[in-house]
Amino acid sequence: QVQLVQSGAELKKPGSSVKVSCKASGGTFSTYTISWLRQAPGQGLEWLGRIIPILETPIYTQNLQGRVTFVADKSTNVAYMELSSLRPEDTALYYCATSHYGPEAFDVWGHGTMVTVSS
Amino acid sequence: QSALTQPASVSGSPGQSITISCTGTSNDVGGHNFVSWYQQHPGKVPKLLIYNVSNRPSGVSNRFSGSKSGNTASLTISGLQAEDEADYYCSSYRSSSTPVLFGGGTKLTVL
Repeated sequence: QVQLVQSGAELKKPGSSVKVSCKASGGTFSTYTISWLRQAPGQGLEWLGRIIPILETPIYTQNLQGRVTFVADKSTNVAYMELSSLRPEDTALYYCATSHYGPEAFDVWGHGTMVTVSS
Repeated sequence: QSALTQPASVSGSPGQSITISCTGTSNDVGGHNFVSWYQQHPGKVPKLLIYNVSNRPSGVSNRFSGSKSGNTASLTISGLQAEDEADYYCSSYRSSSTPVLFGGGTKLTVL
């Protein structure tokens, strides 16, 4: 059973970048679809995109196109999400997730990484 | 992009059944059988309850069931329990450059 462990909370200035990591264990990392989602305080879930490590072809939500980058390091079983040109509205809990039931149904989640954007 | 439409809140008494709706379009809910439902307690990670409209992952209680009619999917919780009080989210695959869409969430209150 795969488990996902994310990096710790980040406090960033507007205009800067943040890189969140998600380490997978207990499964075959390269074949999983790693999706990234976020949840702003008191708000709902937003899907940000996904990457399949063995294919290395990410898909990004149109909302963040050009500001978000996903990378998967097969040698270390770690996926990364980098978000640039940060804005206060990017303040959210960022999750990585994967699935045993298809790429759109997330049954395994990381614990979340809080990213706060504030001057 | 527009989120799937869910009621902001629903409520029910212990033992009752409630249904949460999730309305989309023919490009998402109506056009594909990839609707999922999640339960999220405050401060916790979302938990997958239903996938592919009506399938339950192993370990999920059979009190939770999913269905779909046209562009609207539904989650039914039977035999309501206090522990069911949580936020519930639907999601769907859609034919778009952004292939996963979530509903705005529904807060379930157990009276």
